[in-house]
Formats: sequence, structure tokens, C-alpha cells
Amino acid sequence: EVQLVESGGGLVQPGGSLRLSCSASGFTFNKYIMNWVRQAPGKGLEYVSAISSDGGSTYYADSVKGRFTISRDNSKNTVSLQMSSLRAEDTAVYYCVAYYDYWGQGTLVTVSS
Amino acid sequence: DVVMTQSPLSLPVTLGQPASISCRSSQSLVNSDGNTYLNWFQQRPGQSPRRLIYKVSNRDSGVPDRFSGSGSGTDFTLKISRVEAEDVGVYYCMQGTHWPPGTFGQGTKVEIK
Repeated sequence: EVQLVESGGGLVQPGGSLRLSCSASGFTFNKYIMNWVRQAPGKGLEYVSAISSDGGSTYYADSVKGRFTISRDNSKNTVSLQMSSLRAEDTAVYYCVAYYDYWGQGTLVTVSS
Repeated sequence: DVVMTQSPLSLPVTLGQPASISCRSSQSLVNSDGNTYLNWFQQRPGQSPRRLIYKVSNRDSGVPDRFSGSGSGTDFTLKISRVEAEDVGVYYCMQGTHWPPGTFGQGTKVEIK
């Protein structure tokens, strides 16, 4: 059974940092591009970041470029998103997504004072 | 980035009746490899999105055959032949041809009349 389990969400003050992690199982992790997609409360889906299967290439949406860093560890089947200089508009549920085949349950990040 | 435009954004339907959602892209989604990477996702209330359709018309495993996808180039359609109560939710089209980034439509909310 495919599982993607996100962790690390929570309440953080504006300007703060947070690290999200995603643990994967049930599929060949090192063959998949991994993505982070977010959904602000009551809103649609927004693509945030991606990393190639070998970790050699990364992509960031303009809205997070320079503030977020994606990484992966294929030996541990994990992908992470380091978020810094957080803003209120980063408040969302963050989904870990294997290519676009498999989605995690999401982790809520709330940026508020 | 490619812009994906869905219509309608709200779709009240009667149980047992058909439903249709349109998705239009700002540029052709035919990839250089000949494939068209157009996906459809369903997000039920309180749940993560799940993919229903990939490459325009291919149903994912476990997706009922009342769901079908069609289209080409820049115009695509998701059809539900007979709407059931469990189909309530928001449906998103998403292109993966001009990646990164993958871009989502705004979402279409399907509800029962």
C-alpha cells in the first residue's frame, strides 16, 4: 500500500521557519519526482516545489523562491521542505505528492502572530 | 506558465444525471513525446485530492467507469455519466506537459441539487 505521511506543520509567527517532512512507502521512491502542493483555506491547489528523482534538479514557485528549500534522501525515502521567512499568505495545508500519482494527507501550516 | 481555465466553477447536479466539466489551457498540451499530460483530480470534502484521470482519458485504478476524460490540444472535458452522492466535491484539471510547474485549474465544485 502506498503511503505518504507528512509531518512538521504547526503555528509559526511571521518571519519564522518550519521544516516539513514526508515519509514515503509502498512504491519505488527513487524513481519518482516529488512535489509539494499547497492549499490555502477554502482555496484551490497551488504548486509549490518539486525535486527530481535523483535530487539533482529543483523547482520553486515564484511565491516561495528564495525562502523555501526542497531536499530528499533516497536512502530514507523522505522528502523535506525547509520554509523560512514565512508570511501569512503561506498559511495552507501542504501536500506531499509523488509525481501526481500519490498524495499524502497533508499537514497544516499556520503563519500568524 | 500555462493557465488552466475550468468551467463551470459550480455545478449543481441531480442524482443519476450526467455532469460535464470543461478545462481549457492557454497553450497546447501536446508534449514533444507525443503524449498529452492532462490530469483530472477529485477532492472530496475533508480529503486529499486523488487523481481520477491521467493523459486525458486514462482512468486510475479503482476509478468507476462512470468517469471519463476526453479532449485534445487545449480543450478537455471530464464527464460523469450518472452522478452519485459520493461524487460530491471539487474537481481540478492539471497540466503536466509544460512542467515545471504543473498548473491547476481553479476547481469546479460539484454538489447535489
